[in-house]
Amino acid sequence: RKEVEQDPGPFNVPEGATVAFNCTYSNSASQSFFWYRQDCRKEPKLLMSVYSSGNEDGRFTAQLNRASQYISLLIRDSKLSDSATYLCVVNRGNTDKLIFGTGTRLQVFP
Amino acid sequence: EPEVTQTPSHQVTQMGQEVILRCVPISNHLYFYWYRQILGQKVEFLVSFYNNEISEKSEIFDDQFSVERPDGSNFTLKIRSTKLEDSAMYFCASSEDGSGANVLTFGAGSRLTVL
Repeated sequence: RKEVEQDPGPFNVPEGATVAFNCTYSNSASQSFFWYRQDCRKEPKLLMSVYSSGNEDGRFTAQLNRASQYISLLIRDSKLSDSATYLCVVNRGNTDKLIFGTGTRLQVFP
Repeated sequence: EPEVTQTPSHQVTQMGQEVILRCVPISNHLYFYWYRQILGQKVEFLVSFYNNEISEKSEIFDDQFSVERPDGSNFTLKIRSTKLEDSAMYFCASSEDGSGANVLTFGAGSRLTVL
């Protein structure tokens, strides 16, 4: 089983749509969870950390289910500028070593 | 906003040549990392560095790779004898602490092409 698993997509959605991405991780000792965004041929940039109680940042909502080892990202009211690859990232155990998923590609069209 | 700076942005080299990729981490950060991303694949951890020594390395980071912090600002990745499969984007990152909860800031990357 992959350490971090994501649906690669692509997800093609119209502007204004709501879209959800899921991610599962295999290491139950993982403590830190993140969503990063990566534009084509650019560096990963932090979108948001994911907290146990769930958290929201504007149009973005992240959820964590430790029992199921599952993380989600919800994007509401999609914008053209949201088109990117969304990376689910988990630390390995209690280390600062980050394990990246392969990413889910989102394409928002007018 | 503070940023991690990497040079060169793109390097083309012949197989068997040595390559040095340079990074200037954010000035008050203490933990430094190299990750790589082969085209079309996921970002992979190579090495973490703290207090002038390697704290962890992956199985990718074999004897051909080394890291160094030669002065107070630069953090370098050296590949001694490049192979075709070393072609990738190499990202440097830094963080304030190594707790795992701390966020990494990535540089824009150095694209290495081995011919």
